[in-house]
Amino acid sequence: GENVEQHPSTLSVQEGDSAVIKCTYSDSASNYFPWYKQELGKGPQLIIDIRSNVGEKKDQRIAVTLNKTAKHFSLHITETQPEDSAVYFCAASLMNSGYSTLTFGKGTMLLVSP
Amino acid sequence: KAGVTQTPRYLIKTRGQQVTLSCSPISGHRSVSWYQQTPGQGLQFLFEYFSETQRNKGNFPGRFSGRQFSNSRSEMNVSTLELGDSALYLCASSQGQGPGYTFGSGTRLTVV
Repeated sequence: GENVEQHPSTLSVQEGDSAVIKCTYSDSASNYFPWYKQELGKGPQLIIDIRSNVGEKKDQRIAVTLNKTAKHFSLHITETQPEDSAVYFCAASLMNSGYSTLTFGKGTMLLVSP
Repeated sequence: KAGVTQTPRYLIKTRGQQVTLSCSPISGHRSVSWYQQTPGQGLQFLFEYFSETQRNKGNFPGRFSGRQFSNSRSEMNVSTLELGDSALYLCASSQGQGPGYTFGSGTRLTVV
């Protein structure tokens, strides 16, 4: 089955800096890669996703890049703010007729210091 | 519109007991998936229901079961609880025809 590795496990940055979280996946058939943000006491919230036919996607301060050849994808957060502090999860999935399960990485705890 | 609602939020059970958790998906969503979240194993897929049918199942023992009702609400049951079943159980709903999970806030189960 699919295996997703995520690094680093913790990341501390100063407010205004950029943060990068990296993930690798094992199943070359995977074609959907979402990123989730989980705040304390809440469920994961989808923040951005990318499909395998796209190399990069941006949404304001957040961007995701995908390298299918190397089987890795990354989350980039620019101009970080204290409210970005949370645990971030990457995931990989084979989307086929709406039938899919997500395989998650172990998460990255991002701490943004004022 | 209302999000995914999971009840109860917190639960304490004794080893050997059984427990039932409930999930009400977003209105119009027909797919409900369940995940177990623990510090050691992270988020792991339990099962998915679509139109009252289980259409995918993760690698968990048979003590873990679920069902979905005609109104798309879902329940999961864990029988003969073990200490290792202590976890946050998350439910996610989607329309079932593409990506776009929305997670609930979860049920925190503690087995003592």
